[in-house]
Amino acid sequence: SYALTQPPSVSVSPGQTASITCSGDDLGDKFASWYQQKPGQAPVLVIFQDTKRPSGIPERFSGSNSGNTATLTISGTQGMDEADYYCQAWDNGWVFGGGTKLTVL
Amino acid sequence: QVQLQESGPGLVKPSQTLSLTCTVSGGSISSDEYYWSWIRQPAGKGLEWIGRIYIGGSTKYNPSLSSRATISLDASNNQFSLKLSSVTAADTAVYYCARDGYPISPFDYWGQGTLVTVSS
Repeated sequence: SYALTQPPSVSVSPGQTASITCSGDDLGDKFASWYQQKPGQAPVLVIFQDTKRPSGIPERFSGSNSGNTATLTISGTQGMDEADYYCQAWDNGWVFGGGTKLTVL
Repeated sequence: QVQLQESGPGLVKPSQTLSLTCTVSGGSISSDEYYWSWIRQPAGKGLEWIGRIYIGGSTKYNPSLSSRATISLDASNNQFSLKLSSVTAADTAVYYCARDGYPISPFDYWGQGTLVTVSS
């Protein structure tokens, strides 16, 4: 079965750029999406179709996808961005990455 | 504004069937633009897609759960449901319902989630 691999944790200083990767076989041939999940809350879609932001998502969130790796980039990271982030792709069904805990310190 | 709300028992005994319903408001479940999905998340762990249903009745399941999961749709009440049979403690999780787009577009609306505990 298809698998998406994310680093368990990423740390970033406030105001700096955070990058979270998601790896999967030929992931660049699929569309990748990203969700943000804060404690006790449902996930929120922050990037879809590799690079697009839903309405209401700040411009500091961006995405890319090529080869075997999709990347979520958060520019000028703020304390409110501290959360778990999940990548997602379709491979005969929805597949999620294991999640990355972003710490802003 | 579309809203989804999960409902059902919070405690299920081992070997029994877990049953949850998702009520959709602010939009029609009969739309041909969307699928309706169930996702779960054990405490402290990641997200797992269970399966989805389309207004025509077609369903697709995660192969790891396909033998135990059944998703159905009640258009008259704007609801869809999940049944998961032969549950064990490993099925204890927060269960979410969500909307994804036709044919393949990610989840744009989610329910708040409901905790289901499997225990005797």
